[in-house]
Amino acid sequence: KAGVTQTPRYLIKTRGQQVTLSCSPISGHRSVSWYQQTPGQGLQFLFEYFSETQRNKGNFPGRFSGRQFSNSRSEMNVSTLELGDSALYLCASSWTRGDTEAFFGQGTRLTVV
Amino acid sequence: KQEVTQIPAALSVPEGENLVLNCSFTDSAIYNLQWFRQDPGKGLTSLLLIQSSQREQTSGRLNASLDKSSGRSTLYIAASQPGDSATYLCKKENTGNQFYFGTGTSLTVIP
Repeated sequence: KAGVTQTPRYLIKTRGQQVTLSCSPISGHRSVSWYQQTPGQGLQFLFEYFSETQRNKGNFPGRFSGRQFSNSRSEMNVSTLELGDSALYLCASSWTRGDTEAFFGQGTRLTVV
Repeated sequence: KQEVTQIPAALSVPEGENLVLNCSFTDSAIYNLQWFRQDPGKGLTSLLLIQSSQREQTSGRLNASLDKSSGRSTLYIAASQPGDSATYLCKKENTGNQFYFGTGTSLTVIP
């Protein structure tokens, strides 16, 4: 059974550009959530998608957005990149919302220069 | 503001010791609490999930407990091994389906 797949694994962008990250959940999982991990702030919740709808959002600016497709695959987009957006971006999938175990991908390491 | 704190931030123990990692949270409106390990530069590996109605969960050498009234969860690792060296994170999901991670404990098991 394949795990959560995130692509790309590594990415280097310049300030002002935008970036799209992809997450393919475990087959049958319908909930996908995204997190940002930095040395200073630790792991912070970005947003959660379930059945193609954003259900919850963390405390991040509107430059951070996402979507979920009918096959539960999810993308997140960051526009007008800033140096502080450099981080490991992790996505997790679970069968449904709440009360279920979340499984994480290996993450996308984004470096903004 | 939700706060999830893990103490200690770092821990170094000799192989074979039993150890306890702590996770404290300020809001008792908890849905579930999950423990993960993270190896350097990698994603998170789920260890144990405790529902709000449960008090503990066990998997092999790991035992996690949850005390909602005191806002604490502990992860007990028995007979530690060098392969247990990693950062351990707790994740709290509250009843509003918001997720909060702890600050992490970096564990080193010395052979």
